Amino acid sequence: ETGVTQSPTHLIKTRGQQVTLRCSSQSGHNTVSWYQQALGQGPQFIFQYYREEENGRGNFPPRFSGLQFPNYSSELNVNALELDDSALYLCASSLAGRDSGANVLTFGAGSRLTVL
Amino acid sequence: GENVEQHPSTLSVQEGDSAVIKCTYSDSASNYFPWYKQELGKRPQLIIDIRSNVGEKKDQRIAVTLNKTAKHFSLHITETQPEDSAVYFCAARRPGSARQLTFGSGTQLTVLP
Repeated sequence: ETGVTQSPTHLIKTRGQQVTLRCSSQSGHNTVSWYQQALGQGPQFIFQYYREEENGRGNFPPRFSGLQFPNYSSELNVNALELDDSALYLCASSLAGRDSGANVLTFGAGSRLTVL
Repeated sequence: GENVEQHPSTLSVQEGDSAVIKCTYSDSASNYFPWYKQELGKRPQLIIDIRSNVGEKKDQRIAVTLNKTAKHFSLHITETQPEDSAVYFCAARRPGSARQLTFGSGTQLTVLP
């Protein structure tokens, strides 16, 4: 069984550029959530994907978008980067369901984005 | 929406002592409360969780208590060890399609040898 993997681990962009972050979900999981973690803060929910569709969104502008693929992997895209977008972006996968063990998030190690 | 407040922001204890971290939440519909441990530069890892149908859950040296009436929950670590040093986050989740977690701002726990 493999865990959640994310790429790249670190990247530097300049203001106005675009970035794509990638996530492979844990084996057996069908749902992917993305969180933004600013330095010294708790993670903030960006959105979730289930069955290749956005299944809920936090308080983030439309320039944050995503995709989920048939193999349950996912991408986070951020357009028109701003300095405040500098953060650790965490992907978390889970198995949707009603059982007691369902919907428990397993996080990846994150992609640290620096916007200059 | 849900709001989770976490205290204290930093906590130092002597090895072997107990540590308690407290969180309050605003949405009475929230029914799932996990705790994550994040070591420096590492991923958040689930250490214990509790659902709203129980008041307490224990796993070896770690326990979580939930008071639904007061809308607060706490993490208790007994017999602390240096490897317990990390940032701990509480979170809350309400039922719904996205089942998003709302996190507290974190507690930096330092266990002094």
